[in-house]
Amino acid sequence: GIQVEQSPPDLILQEGANSTLRCNFSDSVNNLQWFHQNPWGQLINLFYIPSGTKQNGRLSATTVATERYSLLYISSSQTTDSGVYFCAASTGANSKLTFGKGITLSVRP
Amino acid sequence: GAVVSQHPSRVICKSGTSVKIECRSLDFQATTMFWYRQFPKQSLMLMATSNEGSKATYEQGVEKDKFLINHASLTLSTLTVTSAHPEDSSFYICSATVINEQFFGPGTRLTVL
Repeated sequence: GIQVEQSPPDLILQEGANSTLRCNFSDSVNNLQWFHQNPWGQLINLFYIPSGTKQNGRLSATTVATERYSLLYISSSQTTDSGVYFCAASTGANSKLTFGKGITLSVRP
Repeated sequence: GAVVSQHPSRVICKSGTSVKIECRSLDFQATTMFWYRQFPKQSLMLMATSNEGSKATYEQGVEKDKFLINHASLTLSTLTVTSAHPEDSSFYICSATVINEQFFGPGTRLTVL
């Protein structure tokens, strides 16, 4: 099956800094999603982005499908951005998502 | 986005009992739902795909007799952990797909004593 790798595993930022989170995947995808898991465990949908670029406020994402990677950009980070960020991808028609191991982001005031 | 709910949010049970977790799509119909398990500090692992009106398909290594899945309607899937043991303690999360994008429920934290 598809392999999904995220880097770096941990990231510590000062409030106001920018950051880039990376997701590499091993196969062609028909779904690529970024999630933020809050402290209560809820997965918040950030982007559905199998290809191209999207922006939502301080967050943006780019997926280069031909080179099999996706990037999540966080600008002007806030303490509320802290948590675990997951990338997940699927191939084929069955929609089964494979998750990366996640990136733990800590934003310090 | 689409809303998926789960009930209960937290359950504590004694070893040997069975626990049922419900997953509902609130504002859409879902012919397919997914069940994941997440251990502390780890990622989500897909357990099974729940198909409305037919049998669930389980991932390799997941015991189908241990984790019973029923998807009796287009808005409800249930996961029953049978004869639960402490090693079944985990965070269980369901999801459903809307036009290829998956939306997740808030999760159920199961603790087996």
